[in-house]
Amino acid sequence: NAGVMQNPRHLVRRRGQEARLRCSPMKGHSHVYWYRQLPEEGLKFMVYLQKENIIDESGMPKERFSAEFPKEGPSILRIQQVVRGDSAAYFCASSPFKNTDTQYFGPGTRLTVL
Amino acid sequence: QKEVEQNSGPLSVPEGAIASLNCTYSDRGSQSFFWYRQYSGKSPELIMFIYSNGDKEDGRFTAQLNKASQYVSLLIRDSQPSDSATYLCAVLRNQFYFGTGTSLTVIP
Repeated sequence: NAGVMQNPRHLVRRRGQEARLRCSPMKGHSHVYWYRQLPEEGLKFMVYLQKENIIDESGMPKERFSAEFPKEGPSILRIQQVVRGDSAAYFCASSPFKNTDTQYFGPGTRLTVL
Repeated sequence: QKEVEQNSGPLSVPEGAIASLNCTYSDRGSQSFFWYRQYSGKSPELIMFIYSNGDKEDGRFTAQLNKASQYVSLLIRDSQPSDSATYLCAVLRNQFYFGTGTSLTVIP
């Protein structure tokens, strides 16, 4: 049973470009969560999605960030017009039930904005 | 006030000793409490969760919860060098809130 998969593992973008981060949840999991981890800071919740629905996006910046979890395919976190402050590790987690005991984390995507 | 507060450390203990990691949370509505371990450059992995006041033991790990004091701790007995990592405390209310983590080094 494959774990949570994220790609790419490392992504380098120049300021103003777009970044697309992908997350495939564990088999049988329909709940996906995105977190951002800045250096020396804890994990910050960004968004919680279920298939085709955004359930809670209270942690998402108001501009430039969006997320989706289509019926088919991975969940995507999209950052438009990236700035240096977007450089961070972005982790995806999945669970079989909403806010279940265990969220399984993917390996993360480390975004560097030049 | 932060939702979850942890001493950033670093905490150093000799091999075989007990490591004690502490965490406080601000909202009494928090329902469940988790400890994650994160090795440098890696993703968090769940160690333990606890819902009820008291102690919960799993192997070398013991989680302790005191809801009245809004305090949760993790004890690691017989610490090993492989336990050296950052330990993240998390609480669940309507979403997960993570602390900034405590860096633990176990000295051989």
